[in-house]
Amino acid sequence: DQQVKQNSPSLSVQEGRISILNCDYTNSMFDYFLWYKKYPAEGPTFLISISSIKDKNEDGRFTVFLNKSAKHLSLHIVPSQPGDSAVYFCAASERTQKLVFGQGTRLTINP
Amino acid sequence: GAGVSQSPSNKVTEKGKDVELRCDPISGHTALYWYRQSLGQGLEFLIYFQGNSAPDKSGLPSDRFSAERTGGSVSTLTIQRTQQEDSAVYLCASSFDSNQPQHFGDGTRLSIL
Repeated sequence: DQQVKQNSPSLSVQEGRISILNCDYTNSMFDYFLWYKKYPAEGPTFLISISSIKDKNEDGRFTVFLNKSAKHLSLHIVPSQPGDSAVYFCAASERTQKLVFGQGTRLTINP
Repeated sequence: GAGVSQSPSNKVTEKGKDVELRCDPISGHTALYWYRQSLGQGLEFLIYFQGNSAPDKSGLPSDRFSAERTGGSVSTLTIQRTQQEDSAVYLCASSFDSNQPQHFGDGTRLSIL
């Protein structure tokens, strides 16, 4: 039973446009959500997080939106840059800090 | 360095051998985690250490897997009698405390022949 799902294995976006990555979860006890970015042969790099008491968190070009009723979160990157090409993982936890990860979405930014 | 350090970066071993993977967390981080990523899969939680508390071992897939954290810093993940399905990238992460984001090392790529 996959508690965190990223239904799009890949996404292609033109440079300068908005990238939207989506994530759904099933466990209503999750109260902390994170996005990580991963390049080949490197560990995941933390991007941005959001607590369940908020519905939006912004950090520069990155914004995470949380819709608790729909059990859905999304990561918006605007404007998209070539260096954003990577695999993006969403993760969730119940504050026990045992993160549950999605399968990842490979984002490709085209010049 | 300032980040989480893992060694070795790559390990190839024969089925049935024991392996030890090492993790040096970020200095001052009290929480330490092990995950693994098998081919084509997401990251799977293995074990979590927080300070002097008993570790959360709920993710360890079998009793062949064990981990320890000595002196509240360095951690070693040991896999005994390795099997081919143990082949994966083993990732270590640390955080300042259990309410802060986890920061990952670059992992150990383990290949069992």
